[in-house]
Amino acid sequence: EVQLVESGGGLVEPGGSLRLSCGVSGFNFINYEMQWVRQAPGKGLEWVSYIGSSSGTTIYYADSVKGRFTISRDNAENSLYLQMNSLRAEDTAFYYCVRGIVGDYWGRGTLVTVSS
Amino acid sequence: QSALTQPASVSGSPGQSITISCTGTSSDLGTYDFVSWYQQHPGKAPKLLIYEVTNRPSGISNRFSGSKSGNTASLTISGLQAEDEADYYCNSYTLRSTWVFGGGTKLTVL
Repeated sequence: EVQLVESGGGLVEPGGSLRLSCGVSGFNFINYEMQWVRQAPGKGLEWVSYIGSSSGTTIYYADSVKGRFTISRDNAENSLYLQMNSLRAEDTAFYYCVRGIVGDYWGRGTLVTVSS
Repeated sequence: QSALTQPASVSGSPGQSITISCTGTSSDLGTYDFVSWYQQHPGKAPKLLIYEVTNRPSGISNRFSGSKSGNTASLTISGLQAEDEADYYCNSYTLRSTWVFGGGTKLTVL
C-alpha cells in the first residue's frame, strides 16, 4: 500500500524556519518525481515545489517561495523534505507531499502556522 | 503565475450530468496536455480523478471524464451521486516549468 506521511508542521513566528518531512512507503521512491502542494485554511490548492526522480537534480519552485524554500530528497531514507526559511503569515497552510507529476497519491498534510 | 479560472460553484440533481470548466492560457493548458483534475472532500486530501486531460487512474469511476479544447479543459461528471459533492480542482503544467491550479469549484448535489 502506498503511503505518504508528512511531519514537521507547527507554529512558528514570522521570519522563522521549519523543516517538513515526508516519509514514504509502498513504492520505489527513487523512481518517482515528487512535489509539495499547500492549501491555506479554507482556500484553494497552490503548487509549491517539484523535485525530479533519482538524484533529484531537477528542481522547480513557485515564485511565492523561491529563494526561501528548499526541496530535497533522501532516497536511502525514503524521505522528501521542504526546508522553509523566512516564513511569512501568508505561508500558513496545510502542506501536502504528492507523488509524481500527476499527483496520484497525496499525504494527509501537515499544518504550518506562521504567527506571532 | 495566475491561477487557472474555474467557476466558483456548480450544482446538479442526482442522475444529471455537470461540466466544470478550467480556462488557462497558451502558457499552460493551451500548450500542454499535462492537465489533471482532483476531487477534495472536506477535511480530506485531494484525490486524482483525471490525468493528461482524459486518462482515469485505476479505480476511478467512468462517470468522470475529461476533455480539452484550446485554452479550456473540462471535467464532466455523469450520473451525479450525493457522494460527488466536493471541491474540484484542475491543474496544468506551464511553460515556466511550474504547475498551476485552478481556484476550485464547489459542486453541490441538490
